[in-house]
Amino acid sequence: AQRVTQPEKLLSVFKGAPVELKCNYSYSGSPELFWYVQYSRQRLQLLLRHISRESIKGFTADLNKGETSFHLKKPFAQEEDSAMYYCALSPYNNAGNMLTFGGGTRLMVKP
Amino acid sequence: DVKVTQSSRYLVKRTGEKVFLECVQDMDHENMFWYRQDPGLGLRLIYFSYDVKMKEKGDIPEGYSVSREKKERFSLILESASTNQTSMYLCATGSTPYNEQFFGPGTRLTVL
Repeated sequence: AQRVTQPEKLLSVFKGAPVELKCNYSYSGSPELFWYVQYSRQRLQLLLRHISRESIKGFTADLNKGETSFHLKKPFAQEEDSAMYYCALSPYNNAGNMLTFGGGTRLMVKP
Repeated sequence: DVKVTQSSRYLVKRTGEKVFLECVQDMDHENMFWYRQDPGLGLRLIYFSYDVKMKEKGDIPEGYSVSREKKERFSLILESASTNQTSMYLCATGSTPYNEQFFGPGTRLTVL
């Protein structure tokens, strides 16, 4: 069975500082990895997925299969980045589009 | 734009009451999910459904049941609410083979 671990429950940085939210996974096959974000009083929404290789709101994430990690990074944090972030994994050949979520990391960006 | 709605944003119930949480989607997605969201535990899957009248247990189904009589509607039922079911409940939908899930606004349930 797959597992997603986000080791930090809370990450606090100052505005303009770099930020890295860690995500590690265990899965024997080739997964698809996602980052979801939940801003205050808003619904959970997709931020980015590894197969897109996009930068969304300045965030990037690279899938490292050797280290089984999918860390989310941004070089200069903004106050509006303060939110709850969840890493999620979809197994290969995913019938029923199941996702396994990590425990989440709350990012606080201080002015 | 996917619209996933949940019947209530906030709900307060008493121990032992039967509770219905309803989720409706308008995107013709075949897959629907119920999660509970608790601090430090992330999202845990309660039940999911990949077709009308079909349901599968997730990771924490105990104390819950579900109903899917129509494609667009997926109900979560707490037969006899208990205080440890106080939580935020999230509904989500999706369509195979696309792995993205779309979430509702959530229902914060408090059981007294």
